[in-house]
Amino acid sequence: GAVVSQHPSWVICKSGTSVKIECRSLDFQATTMFWYRQFPKQSLMLMATSNEGSKATYEQGVEKDKFLINHASLTLSTLTVTSAHPEDSSFYICSARDARRDYEQYFGPGTRLTVT
Amino acid sequence: GQNIDQPTEMTATEGAIVQINCTYQTSGFNGLFWYQQHAGEAPTFLSYNVLDGLEEKGRFSSFLSRSKGYSYLLLKELQMKDSASYLCAVREGNNNNDMRFGAGTRLTVKP
Repeated sequence: GAVVSQHPSWVICKSGTSVKIECRSLDFQATTMFWYRQFPKQSLMLMATSNEGSKATYEQGVEKDKFLINHASLTLSTLTVTSAHPEDSSFYICSARDARRDYEQYFGPGTRLTVT
Repeated sequence: GQNIDQPTEMTATEGAIVQINCTYQTSGFNGLFWYQQHAGEAPTFLSYNVLDGLEEKGRFSSFLSRSKGYSYLLLKELQMKDSASYLCAVREGNNNNDMRFGAGTRLTVKP
């Protein structure tokens, strides 16, 4: 089956620093990747949608200058949390859509970010 | 935008059957998905419905009625490992085909 990886799986950083999270589709090409955030005991909230080679589309209320998304290739998207604050601590999950099998999205294992 | 509603919590007994309902409102519908998520892990795909009717997949079945904005996930022969959150997600028919999630139903299976 299709595999999506994320790196790192967890990260602890100090307030004010930036953190980059990578999302890779390992055995398929993903024209579209999605970034979600999940707080404890809550559901996934879509942050942004990225299409390869174009700018990401951000959801209302998500700061594009704070959460930088780059989808430079068909297998890699990155999310950079800039000037992180403790309230950014969350579980970040990426999802990729297989260009050949449009109906299904495959999720990465998630990255737990803790900002101290 | 869209609203996706599902019960917050449910409890059932091992070996029984449980039905988790999901209602939605969306400006454009392009498919409904059910995912299972264990605590601290990413969601795993369970089922997909785009046409009305029942889709069966082993112990799991999912039903869709587009006119009613309604779906349910049916779990049969419950096992302890089925204790998890079950997420209903609707894909919009926009350019990006965004998938948005309900708050999830936390299912506890008791012996």
